[in-house]
Amino acid sequence: DTGVSQNPRHKITKRGQNVTFRCDPISEHNRLYWYRQTLGQGPEFLTYFQNEAQLEKSRLLSDRFSAERPKGSFSTLEIQRTEQGDSAMYLCASSYTSGGTDTQYFGPGTRLTVL
Amino acid sequence: DAKTTQPTSMDCAEGRAANLPCNHSTISGNEYVYWYRQIHSQGPQYIIHGLKNNETNEMASLIITEDRKSSTLILPHATLRDTAVYYCIVRVRAAGNKLTFGGGTRVLVKP
Repeated sequence: DTGVSQNPRHKITKRGQNVTFRCDPISEHNRLYWYRQTLGQGPEFLTYFQNEAQLEKSRLLSDRFSAERPKGSFSTLEIQRTEQGDSAMYLCASSYTSGGTDTQYFGPGTRLTVL
Repeated sequence: DAKTTQPTSMDCAEGRAANLPCNHSTISGNEYVYWYRQIHSQGPQYIIHGLKNNETNEMASLIITEDRKSSTLILPHATLRDTAVYYCIVRVRAAGNKLTFGGGTRVLVKP
């Protein structure tokens, strides 16, 4: 079990540019979650997938944000036309469930800085 | 999900037990209590969770009151590496539900 991995760990970009982050969940985990965390705050939910299906999206996920999970394995989160307010830590978590509750395990995060 | 209330910060001595309280007076019967911690600049780390019985694992113990309106996370022998923000989260007993993080308790373990 290698844990959840995220790449890149850090990203600095200029306002208006597009960025894409990748999350590799724990092997065999069928659920994958994205959260965003700004400085001094707790993580906030963005969206989650069960296998390849995106089942819920937060109102925080504006039209500039898109997430995919092709083939139900890794996931990507893309932000188009970045704004300074997008600067945050983007966290990915994965879990396994066959019904009932599931425990989410987090990756190290990708820290985005928009200049 | 029910709201939780935690102290903003607390200090504890290295080697001593750290008792972290959490109030969740509006918890429903189908809601679990989860604890995560986040060490500076890292992703949250799962610690433990419970429904109504006390739970123990290699990291900590979780004590839930009989009325389930509050709980205490116990770190039996705090080390400097336990310095972190600890989040108490109440979550509906159903797969796929998001975690709703509050402000957490900033715990500083001192030598």
